Amino acid sequence: DAGITQSPRHKVTETGTPVTLRCHQTENHRYMYWYRQDPGHGLRLIHYSYGVKDTDKGEVSDGYSVSRSKTEDFLLTLESATSSQTSVYFCAISEGWGRVGSGANVLTFGAGSRLTVL
Amino acid sequence: AQTVTQSQPEMSVQEAETVTLSCTYDTSESDYYLFWYKQPPSRQMILVIRQEAYKQQNATENRFSVNFQKAAKSFSLKISDSQLGDAAMYFCAYRSNTNAGKSTFGDGTTLTVKP
Repeated sequence: DAGITQSPRHKVTETGTPVTLRCHQTENHRYMYWYRQDPGHGLRLIHYSYGVKDTDKGEVSDGYSVSRSKTEDFLLTLESATSSQTSVYFCAISEGWGRVGSGANVLTFGAGSRLTVL
Repeated sequence: AQTVTQSQPEMSVQEAETVTLSCTYDTSESDYYLFWYKQPPSRQMILVIRQEAYKQQNATENRFSVNFQKAAKSFSLKISDSQLGDAAMYFCAYRSNTNAGKSTFGDGTTLTVKP
């Protein structure tokens, strides 16, 4: 594997509670992404990071926040979980983007974190 | 914004036969990358093949090949000599060469391989 781990892998929580998912990489890649996967929707981008303390919103960012204080860690926080946030969350990393070499453009994914909000 | 459409929610193929999965996309960009990812029941996302838009030659990886039609914005995946292990959900993905390289995924095609 490419050295990307997500934790926890499974979590059940109740509506209104805060939840933090962690993505940890050992590849020293600059770019990190959080996606959610729901039936019939493929993968949708929540937030991404292009460096330490540099983050931006994706297409479904409402209700989520992120932080990246170190190159290797990218945290996704649900401040107050809702049932609509029940999903599988994937972290992905990338060395770069653009014409920097085709290998650098590849997204490498973590194993996913299944979150159930009751 | 880019969109990726996979018009076949489900496909099936007989073992050892060939199957083609369809993908179309919409973009105003001229430089980008396209990918096919495989997601088996284990849920792990695995890169199958990639194509640089500035290259006219279609990418191939062993039994997997693509038919990239840039003008038609079409990017289909052909799997030859299908194997039971090919059964999975397949996602087509577009990656921009601008905007921090954000990727857009299709909704996926579930491939069943019949023995």
